[in-house]
Amino acid sequence: QQQVKQSPQSLIVQKGGISIINCAYENTAFDYFPWYQQFPGKGPALLIAIRPDVSEKKEGRFTISFNKSAKQFSLHIMDSQPGDSATYFCAANIIGFGNEKLTFGTGTRLTIIP
Amino acid sequence: EAQVTQNPRYLITVTGKKLTVTCSQNMNHEYMSWYRQDPGLGLRQIYYSMNVEVTDKGDVPEGYKVSRKEKRNFPLILESPSPNQTSLYFCASSPKLAGGSNEQFFGPGTRLTVL
Repeated sequence: QQQVKQSPQSLIVQKGGISIINCAYENTAFDYFPWYQQFPGKGPALLIAIRPDVSEKKEGRFTISFNKSAKQFSLHIMDSQPGDSATYFCAANIIGFGNEKLTFGTGTRLTIIP
Repeated sequence: EAQVTQNPRYLITVTGKKLTVTCSQNMNHEYMSWYRQDPGLGLRQIYYSMNVEVTDKGDVPEGYKVSRKEKRNFPLILESPSPNQTSLYFCASSPKLAGGSNEQFFGPGTRLTVL
C-alpha cells in the first residue's frame, strides 16, 4: 500500500519556467513532509521540509505548498535552471515515532531544457 | 567531512553467493537505515536501527539481514541473493533530536546486480 503518491513521474520544463511536483498522503498522523533531491550517481539529499502547522514554506526558488484538509503538498521551483535537473522525492514521517522511517513517493525526474 | 560511506559502490554477483554491503557514518548518529531504490517504486526501507543492538524491519525486509554492533556501522547482509534483489541500495543516518526534524543523510549508493 503506497501511502505517499507522487506525480508526475517525469517533467520537462523550459529554463526560467515553474516546475510543479505534487504529492498526496493517506496517513493523517504524518507531521513532517520533506522533499529530497537526487542527482545521478548520488544519494538523495534534503532540499526543503514543512510541518503541517504552516501552509507554505519558501527557501530561495523552492517553495512547498501544503493543504492539510486535502492531504496534499507540492514543490514549486521558480525560475527553473538546468542545474535543477534531478530526481525529486516527496516523503512523509511522524516526528518522534522512533524509527525515523521516511515514507517516500515514487519520484519525479525533472529535466530543465534551455 | 561528515558523511555516510558505502562499500562496494558496484557489485555483480551470482544467485546464492552471500554478500555484505558495508555502511559507516562519522556523525555519531543514533539512527541508521537501509533503503532500496527501484524504478517506479521510489525508496523503500529495508531495515532500520535506533541504536546499537537495536534493529527492526522496514517495509521490504525479506531476504536481508542487518546488524548494529557499533554505532557507526550498519552492514547489510544478503545470505542468498536472488535476481529480484538487483537494485540500488542506500544507507542513511540521522540524529536523534527531541521534537526536531529528522533529516536523513544518505550514502552514495551501491548498485547491486544478481545474475
